[in-house]
Amino acid sequence: KNEVEQSPQNLTAQEGEFITINCSYSVGISALHWLQQHPGGGIVSLFMLSSGKKKHGRLIATINIQEKHSSLHITASHPRDSAVYICAFLGGSGGGADGLTFGKGTHLIIQP
Amino acid sequence: EAGVAQSPRYKIIEKRQSVAFWCNPISGHATLYWYQQILGQGPKLLIQFQNNGVVDDSQLPKDRFSAERLKGVDSTLKIQPAKLEDSAVYLCASSLVRGPYGYTFGSGTRLTVV
Repeated sequence: KNEVEQSPQNLTAQEGEFITINCSYSVGISALHWLQQHPGGGIVSLFMLSSGKKKHGRLIATINIQEKHSSLHITASHPRDSAVYICAFLGGSGGGADGLTFGKGTHLIIQP
Repeated sequence: EAGVAQSPRYKIIEKRQSVAFWCNPISGHATLYWYQQILGQGPKLLIQFQNNGVVDDSQLPKDRFSAERLKGVDSTLKIQPAKLEDSAVYLCASSLVRGPYGYTFGSGTRLTVV
């Protein structure tokens, strides 16, 4: 059973579109991470949030702990936003003691 | 500050050969993680160190994988002998303290076993 589900798995959009990526999880957590992974493997931490909403530039992340759901939004999307976006949380069956359990990621392509 | 350094960047080996990966975490980060990411999947934790001690290695295939962090700084992950299914990106991450704070990932080592 997957503890974390992301949707969509793949998303292709035009430059300028508003993008939403969803993450649902089935276990109780205290915080959730949104990560960005570019081709070649490097992972960058975008947000860690435990409630409400956080904004950084064109990126917005929201979470509802009670409903076990989080969303990542990208406003005015740009081709450089093309990457895999992954949600992750502490623990879970894949995370061990303090490691993160990751979703499978959403592969986003923004076309010019 | 410098990020998490990993080497090599890419490695291609034949099955049954041995391979080692190196990670240098951010200075002062006590916690170090090795993750395995198979193509199309999210990363999976292999081992977690707190300083030079192992906190969790429950998902490390100990018959072929080993890892050490002798002085509580750099870490090496070794596979001996490699299998085809070990082809993956091996990611190292570090954090200042245990828990969900301040994770920083390296760029990873892409291993191809042929």
